[in-house]
Amino acid sequence: AQKITQTQPGMFVQEKEAVTLDCTYDTSDPSYGLFWYKQPSSGEMIFLIYQGSYDQQNATEGRYSLNFQKARKSANLVISASQLGDSAMYFCAMREPSDNFGNEKLTFGTGTRLTIIP
Amino acid sequence: EPEVTQTPSHQVTQMGQEVILRCVPISNHLYFYWYRQILGQKVEFLVSFYNNEISEKSEIFDDQFSVERPDGSNFTLKIRSTKLEDSAMYFCASSEDPGVYTEAFFGQGTRLTVV
Repeated sequence: AQKITQTQPGMFVQEKEAVTLDCTYDTSDPSYGLFWYKQPSSGEMIFLIYQGSYDQQNATEGRYSLNFQKARKSANLVISASQLGDSAMYFCAMREPSDNFGNEKLTFGTGTRLTIIP
Repeated sequence: EPEVTQTPSHQVTQMGQEVILRCVPISNHLYFYWYRQILGQKVEFLVSFYNNEISEKSEIFDDQFSVERPDGSNFTLKIRSTKLEDSAMYFCASSEDPGVYTEAFFGQGTRLTVV
């Protein structure tokens, strides 16, 4: 089974509208971290927001918020008031505990390409 | 703001040649990683490195690959004899600690093209 599933390969959204990018995850470990990264066309990976499995409140970071529904194992990214510069690939990722110390690696989803329309 | 830097940003190499991709992690970070992204595909874990040794490697990280921290600042990925399928974007990442609640910061990537 996929650890991270992003079911929306592409989305088109009108500028200034809010957008939700879906992410579901699969883990049996009670401790884990969920992360969203943005990859513009230039290629770099930019960290956006993080949610810990024990966090009681949804994470927020400026225009980004994470809709964390633990029972449903979903961690959707919400971007409010979208801007043209938000056009990019967005990746959801998870970090789980490892038996090998120092190897809490990130597992990524396949990404969602978001295009903001003026 | 501290950042992970990678050089070169682009590299074109002939099949069979050796390449070394270089990374300077954030200075107080101790945990280092290499990831790979084949064009249009998802980002895949290659290897993690801590305390001057490999913590874990994926099945992609075969004998053609090696990593090294030759001094206190650089972290390198060497591909001994490149193949066409090694063409990808290679990302270096570093973390302050390895916990699941800590973000990893990525460099801007090295786009490797094997011809």
